[in-house]
Amino acid sequence: EAGVAQSPRYKIIEKRQSVAFWCNPISGHATLYWYQQILGQGPKLLIQFQNNGVVDDSQLPKDRFSAERLKGVDSTLKIQPAKLEDSAVYLCASSLSDRSWEFFGPGTRLTVL
Amino acid sequence: AQKITQTQPGMFVQEKEAVTLDCTYDTSDPSYGLFWYKQPSSGEMIFLIYQGSYDQQNATEGRYSLNFQKARKSANLVISASQLGDSAMYFCAMRTMGRDSSYKLIFGSGTRLLVRP
Repeated sequence: EAGVAQSPRYKIIEKRQSVAFWCNPISGHATLYWYQQILGQGPKLLIQFQNNGVVDDSQLPKDRFSAERLKGVDSTLKIQPAKLEDSAVYLCASSLSDRSWEFFGPGTRLTVL
Repeated sequence: AQKITQTQPGMFVQEKEAVTLDCTYDTSDPSYGLFWYKQPSSGEMIFLIYQGSYDQQNATEGRYSLNFQKARKSANLVISASQLGDSAMYFCAMRTMGRDSSYKLIFGSGTRLLVRP
C-alpha cells in the first residue's frame, strides 16, 4: 500500500512570493489533514477535510493561506503572500475517517527568505 | 483545555540502556487516545505506539512500551536497549473529540533523544 505522497520536498522562496504544496493521500482515505510544524515545535493542525468538505480550518490564517481538496482525493495548500514566519515543515496526513489513525507524509520543508 | 506537555527538550542515553521520555496530558474527555511518534531528521512522523484511555494494560510494541498512569494523566514512553538509530525527535500526542465533533490530534513540543555509542 502506497503511503501519503507530498511534493515538493523542499522549497525556498522570498517573502511576498506565493507557493503551493501538493498532497496525495492513501487511496480510500476520506480524511485529510494539513499540519504546520515550526522548528522546535510539535505539528499544529491547519485544516482538516472530510472528503472534499472542510471540517476544521479554525487555525488556518485565511488572509494568506488557502487549501482545497477537489474530488475528495488530492489536496493543495497555498500561501500567498508568504512571510518569514511561514518557514516550517508542512505535513500532510490522511486517515480512513476522523476516528482512524493518521498516516503522515514525508512533509515539505519551506524556507522563506 | 486539551493539552500535551513534554518537559524534556533533550535527553541523552547510552547505547543499549533504557530511557524514559515524559509526557503529561490534560483533557476532560473520558475517551481519548495517546500516541507516540518518532521524527528523524528526514522529517517524516513515524507511529510508534498507541494507548487508549480505557485500555487496562500498558501498550507494548517491541522495544517500546507506554507507562500509562491515568490518575496522574501521564503517558511516558520507555525505550529499552537503545540503539544509535533511535536518535530523533519524539512527540507525544493525544486524540480527542473537538467542538465540531470530529477527532483531532494534539501534539506536545517534543523531546530530542541522542543515543551515545
